[in-house]
Order: sequence, then structure tokens, then C-alpha cells
Amino acid sequence: GAGVSQSPRYKVAKRGQDVALRCDPISGHVSLFWYQQALGQGPEFLTYFQNEAQLDKSGLPSDRFFAERPEGSVSTLKIQRTQQEDSAVYLCASSSSGRNSNQPQHFGDGTRLSIL
Amino acid sequence: SQQGEEDPQALSIQEGENATMNCSYKTSINNLQWYRQNSGRGLVHLILIRSNEREKHSGRLRVTLDTSKKSSSLLITASRAADTASYFCATALEGSARQLTFGSGTQLTVLP
Repeated sequence: GAGVSQSPRYKVAKRGQDVALRCDPISGHVSLFWYQQALGQGPEFLTYFQNEAQLDKSGLPSDRFFAERPEGSVSTLKIQRTQQEDSAVYLCASSSSGRNSNQPQHFGDGTRLSIL
Repeated sequence: SQQGEEDPQALSIQEGENATMNCSYKTSINNLQWYRQNSGRGLVHLILIRSNEREKHSGRLRVTLDTSKKSSSLLITASRAADTASYFCATALEGSARQLTFGSGTQLTVLP
């Protein structure tokens, strides 16, 4: 498919476990974003990559959150020692432009993470 | 934290009616975008309006932007049941990195 693909779609983990969420952006898209969306709220920014460089991680809520995009395409968001407040939908988005914010972002369907 | 607030939080209308949603934001922006989200799905980009534009149309959508009031509105004309979704405004802040700052959304229900 031509869209942004995220896996898994649903993830249930016990408190304290580590989880890894994957994002396959649209081929050739330079910019990749991770957002966290709580129930009934709008998405909140976590981190931004331009190619393989993580240019902004100001939205990551704690040092338990780590993201990478080693080859400038697929990205992984890892959460260590999960806590119940980490339960949310994690959305990935990609955009064709690295310098111009006047381009839409294309979102995946997200990973719904539930921490028990 | 959310940059913007949508108003109303929820809106229920009959098919064929127009739906208007408003968005207010707090800081200077480069552009403002509207997205739609169906339940359990990702966000779909609807329309982008730049800070130097005042109005933009796309099909049944009309967006206005008033930078002096830091507000925007989205009008959906001749609504359909398929328009039922959550609608979010998102701002790209002036001079910032590329992330979007979203409002809290308006839940639109179009009754057949």
C-alpha cells in the first residue's frame, strides 16, 4: 500500500514490560513524526526525524521513551518499563518535505497500547 | 499541552445541513490545517491554509482564517452521514520545527 503503515495495531503489555512500536512511512518521505493520542484528545507531539536524524525529541514524556530511524525510512518507538499512564494510541505520520512545514502530514492508523 | 481549542466539542446535525466548527489558537503560526479522524483510524488531511490566506475552498469544505483573532473555522456544506467523524485543527508554529500542534477536536455526528 501507499500509505503509512503501523504495527502492531493493538498491543497489550503488563506494567514494567518494554514495548516496541513500528512505523513504515510513505516511501521517499523525508520527515517522520510520532504523536501520542489520549482518549478523547488531539494528538500530542513526541518526536521528529528528518531522514535518519532526530531533530526534535522535546515531546518525549520521559527517558523511558526512545525513538530511532537508523536508515531514514522505518522508525521504531520504544517504551521501557511501561506504566499505566503510557496507555494511549501512538500515531506515526510522514511528510514529503524536510524544510517546508506547508506540506500535509500523512498518518498511519496508529498502535493502541494498553498497559495492565 | 494543546495549542488550540475547538468549538463546539460535539455537534449533531441532520444530513444535508451545514456544519461549522471553530478553532482558536494561542501563538503565531505558519499555517493551520484541518484533519478528520474516523473512530479507530488515523488522521486524514483535509485542507491547509497559510497564515497570509484568509479563505480557502476544497469541494464541500470552506476554511477561514483570522490571524488577528487567532481563530479559524471549518464549514462543511450539504453534510452526509459519511462525514461523521472527529475534526481537528492543527497549527504549524511560526519558526518552529515541523510538528503540528493539535486542538482537542469536534465530534461531528450527521444523522441520516
